[in-house]
Amino acid sequence: DQQVKQNSPSLSVQEGRISILNCDYTNSMFDYFLWYKKYPAEGPTFLISISSIKDKNEDGRFTVFLNKSAKHLSLHIVPSQPGDSAVYFCAAVTGNTPLVFGKGTRLSVIA
Amino acid sequence: KAGVTQTPRYLIKTRGQQVTLSCSPISGHRSVSWYQQTPGQGLQFLFEYFSETQRNKGNFPGRFSGRQFSNSRSEMNVSTLELGDSALYLCASSLRQGRETQYFGPGTRLLVL
Repeated sequence: DQQVKQNSPSLSVQEGRISILNCDYTNSMFDYFLWYKKYPAEGPTFLISISSIKDKNEDGRFTVFLNKSAKHLSLHIVPSQPGDSAVYFCAAVTGNTPLVFGKGTRLSVIA
Repeated sequence: KAGVTQTPRYLIKTRGQQVTLSCSPISGHRSVSWYQQTPGQGLQFLFEYFSETQRNKGNFPGRFSGRQFSNSRSEMNVSTLELGDSALYLCASSLRQGRETQYFGPGTRLLVL
């Protein structure tokens, strides 16, 4: 049973436009959410996180939105750049349990 | 501050052999988690160590084991390798357990022939 779902395996966006990556979760106990970016043959790189007490967190070009009632979070990248092309994973955690990851969305930013 | 390091980066083994992978966390981090990544499967949690004790374990067979040393360095061992164990093994460290950002190493790519 997947507790964290990224329903879009891939996404293509033109350079300069907005990229929106989505993530849904089923466990209402999750209270901390993270986004990671992963290039091939490298480990995931932490991008941005959000606590369940907030509904938005911003860091430069990256903004994460959390909708607790819908159990949904999204990552917005504005403007998208070719170097953003990677696989993006969302993850969620509660208490001292392990991080639970989605299966990832491959973002391709086309110049 | 140095990041998470993993050794070796690449490894080729044959079925039935065993393998040990090593992870050195970021200085000051006491929690180390291990993940397996295979194509299309995302990151599958293996286990987490904190203060030399296994705190959480994923749904993997007993052939997968690990340990953590007093300096927080960690090793994972896979015995009696199977073809399906071919994967990227990732180690991540964090200051503490739970609601903490985990920082990943580059991974060890294991190929079982």
